Amino acid sequence: NAGVTQTPKFQVLKTGQSMTLQCAQDMNHEYMSWYRQDPGMGLRLIHYSVGAGITDQGEVPNGYNVSRSTTEDFPLRLLSAAPSQTSVYFCASSRFGTGINYGYTFGSGTRLTVV
Amino acid sequence: QQQVKQSPQSLIVQKGGISIINCAYENTAFDYFPWYQQFPGKGPALLIAIRPDVSEKKEGRFTISFNKSAKQFSLHIMDSQPGDSATYFCAARKQGGSEKLVFGKGTKLTVNP
Repeated sequence: NAGVTQTPKFQVLKTGQSMTLQCAQDMNHEYMSWYRQDPGMGLRLIHYSVGAGITDQGEVPNGYNVSRSTTEDFPLRLLSAAPSQTSVYFCASSRFGTGINYGYTFGSGTRLTVV
Repeated sequence: QQQVKQSPQSLIVQKGGISIINCAYENTAFDYFPWYQQFPGKGPALLIAIRPDVSEKKEGRFTISFNKSAKQFSLHIMDSQPGDSATYFCAARKQGGSEKLVFGKGTKLTVNP
């Protein structure tokens, strides 16, 4: 009963490097999403997916790519890291049409620093 | 354009006091309003949620008050405890818009002993 697992927990990148943040859920949730959290900015949606093979852009998609080949996995790729992408990244998942008391399940986050 | 405006940004309350966090929205297509609680180093977790057909929902010491005509909703924490110290996010979801949530910017609550 792992819930949403994010790896790595911490990462330091040099400007221009690429990397993939991993997200996996074992709850058979259809909906998955990536947020970034910055001080004073709250949680901003990067990309989301409503099922395998279907992805769409959120509020701040530039510089990030996603794919959803399986229900369980939703990796986030940074194409060419920039200091502005220094942030804490959260993956979240949810069922569709849920009751009012069933919300998102968030991972524990990836703290990324780009130098 | 910020779709959900949350205030205050930070709040300090004494133990036993009432903590009040406010949110406002513009989009009348929103049909679900949850609050999330986040402790340092952790991901947010659902605290309590409300739909616009009710004006108030209470769960233990936590109450959501909802004013549909004013397009505002608030979180009240009664008898605030040091363990309630966390960041709180309000959010909203558009009817028929998948499960996509729009979050407020968050309120950092500190409850002093």
